[in-house]
Amino acid sequence: DAGVIQSPRHEVTEMGQEVTLRCKPISGHNSLFWYRQTMMRGLELLIYFNNNVPIDDSGMPEDRFSAKMPNASFSTLKIQPSEPRDSAVYFCASSVTSGTYNEQFFGPGTRLTVL
Amino acid sequence: GENVEQHPSTLSVQEGDSAVIKCTYSDSASNYFPWYKQELGKGPQLIIDIRSNVGEKKDQRIAVTLNKTAKHFSLHITETQPEDSAVYFCAASKGGGSNYKLTFGKGTLLTVNP
Repeated sequence: DAGVIQSPRHEVTEMGQEVTLRCKPISGHNSLFWYRQTMMRGLELLIYFNNNVPIDDSGMPEDRFSAKMPNASFSTLKIQPSEPRDSAVYFCASSVTSGTYNEQFFGPGTRLTVL
Repeated sequence: GENVEQHPSTLSVQEGDSAVIKCTYSDSASNYFPWYKQELGKGPQLIIDIRSNVGEKKDQRIAVTLNKTAKHFSLHITETQPEDSAVYFCAASKGGGSNYKLTFGKGTLLTVNP
């Protein structure tokens, strides 16, 4: 298996532009997680889906952020409009959730720079 | 919600020495505690995990201990090697139902000097 796939790996955009990050989870995994990593705040959970349904979006910073999972093999995280403080590395992770076990497999991340 | 504190934030050891990283958590309902290793430019990777019904778990040079009463858990790396240099994160989760979210500590930058 190729693991979790994220695209693009790097994104540079200007303030006010729309940004869309993409994620393909590992086949057969039923949960998908979007994280943001910064030096100041560390690794923060933004939203997670179980069986394509958003379960917890309490980490989404504001209405400018939205996430979708139209099917089991694809998810997007959109920022509109983007701001310089959104600059961070965004990770997608997937897992098979069962009982207490939740090994999350992370993708390589998308480094976003908003100028 | 859950809060995970991790110490130290940086740790430098000589090759062959042991390294210990400690975490505390706030929610007594948490029952799953993974440790992740993140190398530069990569996503975090699970290296070991422990569930609340176990006090200690070992995997070669890596071990994790859990004290549920005190709500703290630790990562122990013995015979450290330069390739162990990375950022290590602890995390906690309640698991089950809709509680699969992981709350991460702020990370420990481990440097192993040859």
